[in-house]
Amino acid sequence: AQSVAQPEDQVNVAEGNPLTVKCTYSVSGNPYLFWYVQYPNRGLQFLLKYITGDNLVKGSYGFEAEFNKSQTSFHLKKPSALVSDSALYFCAVRDTNQGGKLIFGQGTELSVKP
Amino acid sequence: DTGVSQNPRHKITKRGQNVTFRCDPISEHNRLYWYRQTLGQGPEFLTYFQNEAQLEKSRLLSDRFSAERPKGSFSTLEIQRTEQGDSAMYLCASSSGQSQETQYFGPGTRLLVL
Repeated sequence: AQSVAQPEDQVNVAEGNPLTVKCTYSVSGNPYLFWYVQYPNRGLQFLLKYITGDNLVKGSYGFEAEFNKSQTSFHLKKPSALVSDSALYFCAVRDTNQGGKLIFGQGTELSVKP
Repeated sequence: DTGVSQNPRHKITKRGQNVTFRCDPISEHNRLYWYRQTLGQGPEFLTYFQNEAQLEKSRLLSDRFSAERPKGSFSTLEIQRTEQGDSAMYLCASSSGQSQETQYFGPGTRLLVL
């Protein structure tokens, strides 16, 4: 069965410091991986995705993610965190069966303090 | 193109009542997905449509739940005889249906069953 794990419920960083939000996955075949962000009482906003090609993927708002096949990881990173980055972050993998539904991790709450 | 819209944004109902939610996808997106998100969890897949055809339903979708997309554009999700356990955020997403598609989410409908 395909699955995604986000090992940290919460990540705390100081503004201006680099941030990392961790994600590991388990799939059969080649993974299609996604990161979404959710602000309070809002839907999910797409940040970036890995389909194939370069292992470092750049996305919206200065975020990037590194695909590591040997470690089955897809960690989200940003060189310099902003207070406005504080939100709930979800990693997801696309089901490789017909239909392409997304399978989400449980989410990581990012808190950036001034 | 104003993105995916959902109505209502909030719904409070009494146990045993029926509720219906609407989702309007991004125009020309032929795939439409419904997910459910409970507090502290990632979204879980409920069902999806390719145009007007409902092609997959999760086991989470009990017989009290029904979804339609009659003309391949907007979709409705109805819950009959609501239970307190149905309280959740109901998220709709749409995509173009291409192999490397991104799903774009609406703001969600938050349901509270008293």
